[in-house]
Amino acid sequence: QLQFQESGPGLVKPSETLTLTCTVSGDSISSRSHYWGWIRQPPGKGLEWIGNMYYSGTPYYNPPLRSRAAISIDTSKNQLSLMLSSVTAADTAVYYCARQRAGGRYYFDIWGQGIVVTVSS
Amino acid sequence: QSVLTQPPSVSGAPGQRVTIPCTGSSSNIGGIYDVHWYQQLPGKAPKLLIFSDYNRPSGVPDRFSGSKSGASASLAISGLQVEDEAVYFCHSFDIDLGGSVFGGGTKLTV
Repeated sequence: QLQFQESGPGLVKPSETLTLTCTVSGDSISSRSHYWGWIRQPPGKGLEWIGNMYYSGTPYYNPPLRSRAAISIDTSKNQLSLMLSSVTAADTAVYYCARQRAGGRYYFDIWGQGIVVTVSS
Repeated sequence: QSVLTQPPSVSGAPGQRVTIPCTGSSSNIGGIYDVHWYQQLPGKAPKLLIFSDYNRPSGVPDRFSGSKSGASASLAISGLQVEDEAVYFCHSFDIDLGGSVFGGGTKLTV
């Protein structure tokens, strides 16, 4: 059964870089049928797609975040990572990693439990 | 402001049927892109409820159904149960954005 384990700091200072890791178990991150992505949800608000990538491809980002976000995959560790630079209070959110179906479908079929990140000095 | 538009809330009595609309445009739902629906219970991660317009993942009751027409889609929930109280999000791909877009979410009160 596919599971995610998200890890990272719960508190980040403004202007610093947030780094999150999502370790995948129960499936290979080198799957040819899936992308792997990050989605976030600010407190009391809706879902915002951050970006995704195929294990051997180029990352894709939500345009408003493209200049600050970096997604990478380490196939040897079966891990997906997110770096978000120059954070502000607006980046306070629950961050989810998720598996996304490829082949033109694009639905997120499995989600991690989420990690709460607060940006505050 | 979300690219896909959903009402903030809907409500219904146990046993009734409700529908949640999701309106997009020609660059997403109205194009060739599928619509998907997620259920988010309080304090939990979203869970895939409907994929590719009307398909249910294994384990999702057939009380939940999806449809799409033009640039709009709908999630219907029949035989409402108290445990259906949750926030429901629609999702599609947007060619102008080059990635995923979500509706703002609809809170269902039973």
